[in-house]
Amino acid sequence: NAGVTQTPKFQVLKTGQSMTLQCAQDMNHEYMSWYRQDPGMGLRLIHYSVGAGITDQGEVPNGYNVSRSTTEDFPLRLLSAAPSQTSVYFCASRTGGDGYTFGSGTRLTVV
Amino acid sequence: SQKIEQNSEALNIQEGKTATLTCNYTNYSPAYLQWYRQDPGRGPVFLLLIRENEKEKRKERLKVTFDTTLKQSLFHITASQPADSATYLCAPARFGNEKLTFGTGTRLTIIP
Repeated sequence: NAGVTQTPKFQVLKTGQSMTLQCAQDMNHEYMSWYRQDPGMGLRLIHYSVGAGITDQGEVPNGYNVSRSTTEDFPLRLLSAAPSQTSVYFCASRTGGDGYTFGSGTRLTVV
Repeated sequence: SQKIEQNSEALNIQEGKTATLTCNYTNYSPAYLQWYRQDPGRGPVFLLLIRENEKEKRKERLKVTFDTTLKQSLFHITASQPADSATYLCAPARFGNEKLTFGTGTRLTIIP
């Protein structure tokens, strides 16, 4: 039982490049979310999903896309990276009645 | 809009004492509230969930209270240890609403 697995752990992108942050969970959790964490800003919700095929926007969705084709996977796509997207990204999942299980994070730097 | 405030960015407590962290929320009526612990360079770890009808919940040395009238939750760590040093986050929530918002956290340091 690996929990929530995020890849890669570190990434450097050039402005304008696109990439996908991977997130997979093996706990059969229906709810999954993506957060970014910046110093002094706390965790901010980017997108979330309440089940396969269902996604919705969070607090800061601009510049990001998500899809949820399976229960296990919830990738986050950066369409055209900008320096403002330099951050630590966390994926999390939960089932009803419990709190979220977070991944170990992806540290992204956009230069 | 919903606002969550956690007391002071940093809190220093002597080892063995009780640490009390505060989470206040406004413009919101959560049905439950979650507390998480985050260590530097790691993802948050879920600690406790308390529902609006529970008033108090305990787990080992941890105790959480939830006062919907005051719009406040208190998080207590009794007999604190240096290993309890971390940032603690609160997140009030409503059933059926997965747009979970976190407070910015309180960085707790337990001094030996």
